[in-house]
Amino acid sequence: AQSVAQPEDQVNVAEGNPLTVKCTYSVSGNPYLFWYVQYPNRGLQFLLKYITGDNLVKGSYGFEAEFNKSQTSFHLKKPSALVSDSALYFCAVRFTDSWGKLQFGAGTQVVVTP
Amino acid sequence: GAVVSQHPSWVICKSGTSVKIECRSLDFQATTMFWYRQFPKQSLMLMATSNEGSKATYEQGVEKDKFLINHASLTLSTLTVTSAHPEDSSFYICSATTGAPLQPQHFGDGTRLSIL
Repeated sequence: AQSVAQPEDQVNVAEGNPLTVKCTYSVSGNPYLFWYVQYPNRGLQFLLKYITGDNLVKGSYGFEAEFNKSQTSFHLKKPSALVSDSALYFCAVRFTDSWGKLQFGAGTQVVVTP
Repeated sequence: GAVVSQHPSWVICKSGTSVKIECRSLDFQATTMFWYRQFPKQSLMLMATSNEGSKATYEQGVEKDKFLINHASLTLSTLTVTSAHPEDSSFYICSATTGAPLQPQHFGDGTRLSIL
């Protein structure tokens, strides 16, 4: 069985400060990890993925994520948050089937204040 | 690239009617599409996986006779909520993937369904 956990329901950060959204996972075998962002009444937008290789993955809109195998974590980061980054963020792990099903975390609401 | 269009974005209808939601991949061929349901401030719940030309695979607890899924072409999947009731009110989201190994899912903008 596999799972993904986002321990924080909400993260508050001031504009210009670093932003971190936490994600831990549990899988058997190699983990394939994704981050998505959702704005109100919208679908999800893909930010980045980790498949293999460099532990630091760079994605869209200035986001990056660090894969840490020993801590089974895949935290999302942005060096300087913007008010427009306020949204709901989901971490996801891919099932090992051939169809690409994803297991999503509960989501973390990010609030960036001016 | 990789745009998924979902229609309608919002629908309100009376209890007992059936509602069809369309999901189209606009600039790629989607061998697999997924249908999700999302409750307010909650995560996505996978309802079913749809492969072009074959029957959908439903997740445990999802009524296949209630939520009819058709994936007739490589660019179109539909979800029909049959005999809808107020408890079916929710935000429904589709996603699509090319089927290439380890490619991300691309999501539509969702459909807000309200049953009166």
